[in-house]
Amino acid sequence: GAVVSQHPSRVICKSGTSVKIECRSLDFQATTMFWYRQFPKKSLMLMATSNEGSKATYEQGVEKDKFLINHASLTLSTLTVTSAHPEDSSFYICSAPRLGRGNNEQFFGPGTRLTVL
Amino acid sequence: GEDVEQSLFLSVREGDSSVINCTYTDSSSTYLYWYKQEPGAGLQLLTYIFSNMDMKQDQRLTVLLNKKDKHLSLRIADTQTGDSAIYFCAESEGNSGGYQKVTFGTGTKLQVIP
Repeated sequence: GAVVSQHPSRVICKSGTSVKIECRSLDFQATTMFWYRQFPKKSLMLMATSNEGSKATYEQGVEKDKFLINHASLTLSTLTVTSAHPEDSSFYICSAPRLGRGNNEQFFGPGTRLTVL
Repeated sequence: GEDVEQSLFLSVREGDSSVINCTYTDSSSTYLYWYKQEPGAGLQLLTYIFSNMDMKQDQRLTVLLNKKDKHLSLRIADTQTGDSAIYFCAESEGNSGGYQKVTFGTGTKLQVIP
């Protein structure tokens, strides 16, 4: 199956710093990638849809200036949490549907656990 | 907005069958999915079903869909300790030329007792 990687897998940072999380599709191209946030014992919440070559589409309630998304190429999307605060601590997961396969299979990255001190 | 509900916890003995239930509210759901998440990991798609199907079977997994009641279930036959994980039900409105948002349920933690 297709593989999606994320880097880093874990990051601990100080309050006020910015953190960049990378999402890569390793063996297929993805014009669209999705970024999710998962709180402990909660479901995944879609934050934004990352579109290659254009601006990301953010879900209601998600601050676009706080969570910067850049879809730099057909295999890479980055999420930057700017001026991180402890309430941004969470598990961030990206996914990518494989081109030509519609929406019936998205491949998920292993997730990045962010802890803001 | 769309809403997908699941019970939070299920405990079964190894070798028994597990049935995880899900209800959803979006009548225009086209695809319904079951994902598995192991501790500290991302999500793995187990199976999906189109809304015009009633049942889908894949080895030990059986998905039943009651579209009238908007109820989806996942049955795992001969449950093994390796099946212990969180199972997410999800739905989307399908693909009309673009990729549609997937709405996830709250997840059901399956505990398999040896």
